[in-house]
Amino acid sequence: GENVEQHPSTLSVQEGDSAVIKCTYSDSASNYFPWYKQELGKRPQLIIDIRSNVGEKKDQRIAVTLNKTAKHFSLHITETQPEDSAVYFCAAINSGGSNYKLTFGKGTLLTVNP
Amino acid sequence: DAGVIQSPRHEVTEMGQEVTLRCKPISGHNSLFWYRQTMMRGLELLIYFNNNVPIDDSGMPEDRFSAKMPNASFSTLKIQPSEPRDSAVYFCASTLGLAGYEQYFGPGTRLTVT
Repeated sequence: GENVEQHPSTLSVQEGDSAVIKCTYSDSASNYFPWYKQELGKRPQLIIDIRSNVGEKKDQRIAVTLNKTAKHFSLHITETQPEDSAVYFCAAINSGGSNYKLTFGKGTLLTVNP
Repeated sequence: DAGVIQSPRHEVTEMGQEVTLRCKPISGHNSLFWYRQTMMRGLELLIYFNNNVPIDDSGMPEDRFSAKMPNASFSTLKIQPSEPRDSAVYFCASTLGLAGYEQYFGPGTRLTVT
């Protein structure tokens, strides 16, 4: 089955700096890679996703890059703000396969210091 | 839409008691997922349904756990008998289709077994 590794487990940055979270996956058939943000005590919510037919996707201050050859993808947050503080989860799935299990990484606790 | 609804939000019970967690998916969504979240193990998929049919229950930890989806608008996760190591936050999520679509999470049920 799919295995997703996520690094780092914790990340602390100053407000205004950039933050990068990296994930690797094992199943070369995976083709859909969402990122979820979970604030303390809240539910995970999708913030951005990327499919294997593109290498990069941006949405305002967040962007995701994908390298299918190396089987890794990354989340980039620019101009970080205190409200970006949360746990971020990457995930991977083969959307065309018969196993519909979304495999999550262990999460990264991002702290943005004012 | 009210989103995914879960009840109860908090449950405290004694070891050996039966626990039933409930979930109402978003109307029109045909896939439903039960997750368990702990600090040690992260987000674990327990079981998922498509069109009310269980597709993969390989994540269910033991026979003490069971899940049903009698209709498109209701699912239950039952633990009997409960044990302290079952203490966790249990999330229900729903999506349209099985893979490659945003999973919408409910607010979760925080279960404490003493």
